[in-house]
Amino acid sequence: DAKTTQPTSMDCAEGRAANLPCNHSTISGNEYVYWYRQIHSQGPQYIIHGLKNNETNEMASLIITEDRKSSTLILPHATLRDTAVYYCIVRVASAIAGGTSYGKLTFGQGTILTVHP
Amino acid sequence: EPEVTQTPSHQVTQMGQEVILRCVPISNHLYFYWYRQILGQKVEFLVSFYNNEISEKSEIFDDQFSVERPDGSNFTLKIRSTKLEDSAMYFCAIPRRGPLIFGPGTRLTVL
Repeated sequence: DAKTTQPTSMDCAEGRAANLPCNHSTISGNEYVYWYRQIHSQGPQYIIHGLKNNETNEMASLIITEDRKSSTLILPHATLRDTAVYYCIVRVASAIAGGTSYGKLTFGQGTILTVHP
Repeated sequence: EPEVTQTPSHQVTQMGQEVILRCVPISNHLYFYWYRQILGQKVEFLVSFYNNEISEKSEIFDDQFSVERPDGSNFTLKIRSTKLEDSAMYFCAIPRRGPLIFGPGTRLTVL
């Protein structure tokens, strides 16, 4: 799996947008970009994923550059509860008979996002 | 209702004892994963299991570890003879049309 590079930590004011960058310059054509977060020692929580198009769901937006070498996770209105470690992960997917096979997720150190009042 | 539950939430054991950690998905799955996280460290992949066979395992997953699907409704991770360094959070995960959904974890403390 391609490696990712994220800042070690970031701060954000409550109510403002949090923009978390991720560099994945060696990403392959069959690798998706996934974002997870982990609050304290809870299980990692899935946020969003994408291949090449920008994606949005109820939690966040994912902006992937045209060359796919970097992406940004956007939390539009950060709250104190969004304080967590955010992981950007690239993950291979390949077609198999009957569907799609997905590789394991390989976690890095992530970005510690602190949302302050 | 959570998609994945794990039991127990906390397990304390003596070094050398066997422990079995359980993962119960809300619906039947053929595919599941186990991860662990030592306190203060990153989440590490242990093993993936598909249709009653190990599909991939990491270097951490040595002969002390085993996985089973004893029936159609739950999966287990067994550590045969626990060591102090096995103390960690253990997470199971199931795929949901692509993304992995993680359980809340079992905190294993080896004394």
